[in-house]
Amino acid sequence: EAQVTQNPRYLITVTGKKLTVTCSQNMNHEYMSWYRQDPGLGLRQIYYSMNVEVTDKGDVPEGYKVSRKEKRNFPLILESPSPNQTSLYFCASSLRYSGGDNTGELFFGEGSRLTVL
Amino acid sequence: DAKTTQPNSMESNEEEPVHLPCNHSTISGTDYIHWYRQLPSQGPEYVIHGLTSNVNNRMASLAIAEDRKSSTLILHRATLRDAAVYYCILRIGAQKLVFGQGTRLTINP
Repeated sequence: EAQVTQNPRYLITVTGKKLTVTCSQNMNHEYMSWYRQDPGLGLRQIYYSMNVEVTDKGDVPEGYKVSRKEKRNFPLILESPSPNQTSLYFCASSLRYSGGDNTGELFFGEGSRLTVL
Repeated sequence: DAKTTQPNSMESNEEEPVHLPCNHSTISGTDYIHWYRQLPSQGPEYVIHGLTSNVNNRMASLAIAEDRKSSTLILHRATLRDAAVYYCILRIGAQKLVFGQGTRLTINP
């Protein structure tokens, strides 16, 4: 089954304790990205990757790191989490998008709810 | 900056058509208009997309204004399973998606 898998789904942590949210896709997609979803602010892009070893900042990258060493994995790293990073996080992937008939349909994971105390 | 504006909520009855509007007055000529929906406790899922012409698929239709400053997602016969938050999104190039605030659609039996 084609899917994007995130772990953990739920996490409560404390300020400053490094954590990693993993994301894996089994569709051989080139493009992967991370979003955070907050009430009243909708979904905002954190980082994206066009392919292996190619990453770039989205709209809200501060406090986050990513890596893309393998095509299927795109972990989100919070080196020193703070309470303002409490949010619902989504990973998504798609084929390389070229517009037109290539929809570049994004497949989203089920989300990871992170609470930083 | 590109942005989309949607009503916060809409309500409709089962088996009736639903028209979900979206304004994107700052859209550029190469930005694609995408729609996704998010069911409770799930990630967003793709619904439809278009550039200039109206589009139809098995889930919905997308009507795009001639000046492209607005679009409407049309669900032809709403079911209870269509209750969700619907997002109008601009896809800017290959990598950037700008999400609107979304419209929470309620379907009455």
